[in-house]
Amino acid sequence: NAGVMQNPRHLVRRRGQEARLRCSPMKGHSHVYWYRQLPEEGLKFMVYLQKENIIDESGMPKERFSAEFPKEGPSILRIQQVVRGDSAAYFCASSPTGESDSYTFGSGTRLTVV
Amino acid sequence: SQQGEEDPQALSIQEGENATMNCSYKTSINNLQWYRQNSGRGLVHLILIRSNEREKHSGRLRVTLDTSKKSSSLLITASRAADTASYFCATHQGGSEKLVFGKGTKLTVNP
Repeated sequence: NAGVMQNPRHLVRRRGQEARLRCSPMKGHSHVYWYRQLPEEGLKFMVYLQKENIIDESGMPKERFSAEFPKEGPSILRIQQVVRGDSAAYFCASSPTGESDSYTFGSGTRLTVV
Repeated sequence: SQQGEEDPQALSIQEGENATMNCSYKTSINNLQWYRQNSGRGLVHLILIRSNEREKHSGRLRVTLDTSKKSSSLLITASRAADTASYFCATHQGGSEKLVFGKGTKLTVNP
């Protein structure tokens, strides 16, 4: 079991470009969570998805950010028209049951906006 | 706003000493978890303590939970240089699947 796979590990984008972050959950896990970590900060919840459904997006900025978890393939966190303030580490976690005590985190994608 | 707040923000000790980190939170919880993060890496789950538990052990780790004070502590005994990392507490609040993380304690264990 390869665990939660995130790619790319590092992503550099110029201001105004789009960033697409991918998360493949553990085999058998149908619940995916995205968190953002700013430098020297803890993780902040962004969005919780199950296959093809957004369950809780209360932590997602209202503009430029979107997430999906299609029936087939990885979950995608998409940031349009990136700005310097989007520079952060983005972590994905997956769960088989939707209960947070069964999370497994990926290694994260470090986004740098230049 | 962040629910869990760790204290101290940074801690530097010598190898072999014990390290104690504290976490306070504001609302009622279902469980509290501690995670470790090495610099530039992902999070590793260390231990989970449920709201009806007071103490839990795992190897060199001991976690306590005081729901009346809304606080928890993580004790690492006989620390090693390899324990150098940031440690975060995270709470799972009732009715929500998301975890709320604190800002972390940065632990440095000097050889």
